[in-house]
Amino acid sequence: EADIYQTPRYLVIGTGKKITLECSQTMGHDKMYWYQQDPGMELHLIHYSYGVNSTEKGDLSSESTVSRIRTEHFPLTLESARPSHTSQYLCASSGGAYNEQFFGPGTRLTVL
Amino acid sequence: AQSVSQHNHHVILSEAASLELGCNYSYGGTVNLFWYVQYPGQHLQLLLKYFSGDPLVKGIKGFEAEFIKSKFSFNLRKPSVQWSDTAEYFCAVKDTGRRALTFGSGTRLQVQP
Repeated sequence: EADIYQTPRYLVIGTGKKITLECSQTMGHDKMYWYQQDPGMELHLIHYSYGVNSTEKGDLSSESTVSRIRTEHFPLTLESARPSHTSQYLCASSGGAYNEQFFGPGTRLTVL
Repeated sequence: AQSVSQHNHHVILSEAASLELGCNYSYGGTVNLFWYVQYPGQHLQLLLKYFSGDPLVKGIKGFEAEFIKSKFSFNLRKPSVQWSDTAEYFCAVKDTGRRALTFGSGTRLQVQP
């Protein structure tokens, strides 16, 4: 079944740790996205990828980095986590004529 | 820059009441419009979308939305809500030249049995 997967769903870590949030899709989509969402707030685009080896920063400045080595995989990395990174991170992909976006379940990150 | 406003942050209704959630956007050109819903503990899901044609679009679970270009609005409606409609609803807009969606801040709908 075509879907978008994110792991872990919840992560609590200490300041200074390096973390990678995983996102995979079996939708066959070229475009993938990372959004950040604080509770009760709108989603903000932090990274975007047109396809393999193509990534761009989004509207909201983020200290995270991403890579796109395979079409289906779009991991997000924080080299040194800080409490200000505490948020929910949503991965999405889009494709087809209308490019409507489909979302993963999200990773809720808490940095102590 | 594009902005999306959802004026109702928290709405509480009784079952069978009618629902209308407001959404206004700022971009004056061609837009694609979406409503997403997030049920408790679940993925963000597409409820309905507008790309072109009939400005009244119908989505899943009895929801519909009307695109009024002159008012820059795309309000979501449902004639009779159910307890299972309790969720957070997000309006989103994509205009030409932008890479991704611009989201509103969401409306939390609570339906009381």
